[in-house]
Amino acid sequence: EIVLTQSPGTLSLSPGERATLSCRASQSFSTTYLAWYQQKPGQAPRLLIYTTSSRATGIPDRFSGSGSGTDFTLTISRLEPEDFAVYYCQHYGSSQISFGQGTRLEIK
Amino acid sequence: ELQVVESGGGLIQPGGSLRLSCAASGFTVSSHYMSWVRQAPGKGLEWVSVIYSGGSTYYADSVRGRFTISRDNSKNTLYLQMNSLRADDTAVYYCALYYYRNPYWGQGTRVTVSS
Repeated sequence: EIVLTQSPGTLSLSPGERATLSCRASQSFSTTYLAWYQQKPGQAPRLLIYTTSSRATGIPDRFSGSGSGTDFTLTISRLEPEDFAVYYCQHYGSSQISFGQGTRLEIK
Repeated sequence: ELQVVESGGGLIQPGGSLRLSCAASGFTVSSHYMSWVRQAPGKGLEWVSVIYSGGSTYYADSVRGRFTISRDNSKNTLYLQMNSLRADDTAVYYCALYYYRNPYWGQGTRVTVSS
């Protein structure tokens, strides 16, 4: 089982700043199977990034994903007010799909 | 357009059973792997089960032996049979399709296990 650890647990930033969220895996896996989601209260998770760096349909280009091996990153280049939410990474390439515990992005 | 729509949630007593459905459109359920994911109130996302196109199934330790994932190709629908339900199974349950490595999720169905 691949365990995903996200850091930081909470990130406090201001609109216009750059956000860097980390997702570290307990073992290396293919970049084909790493996704990022955004979730706001009372809503279903929204897919942002899949296959490590591909933006989902309708996702603004301020969101980007990168990484390989065991270290993956979601970057939001310039935070907009609507970006403050909880973010999850997901590995979906094996018999046991796994999620990180989430990073809460809050307004400073 | 690819779409998955969950149904079947509700209030159920501890020890009871419930079957969730995930109706698919725009694709064939038997051709792609699909999973169930849940989220307990105030908690993070938890993978529950997956079924592959070849029929192999896998479960999280927390539900193995109690939950069964299956699909009906004639109805193009994915199911999650949940038995021996416990209070800690209370969650919103999401169906997810992995379409050529691109995930698609439904809006979820709420399950509450309480007496």
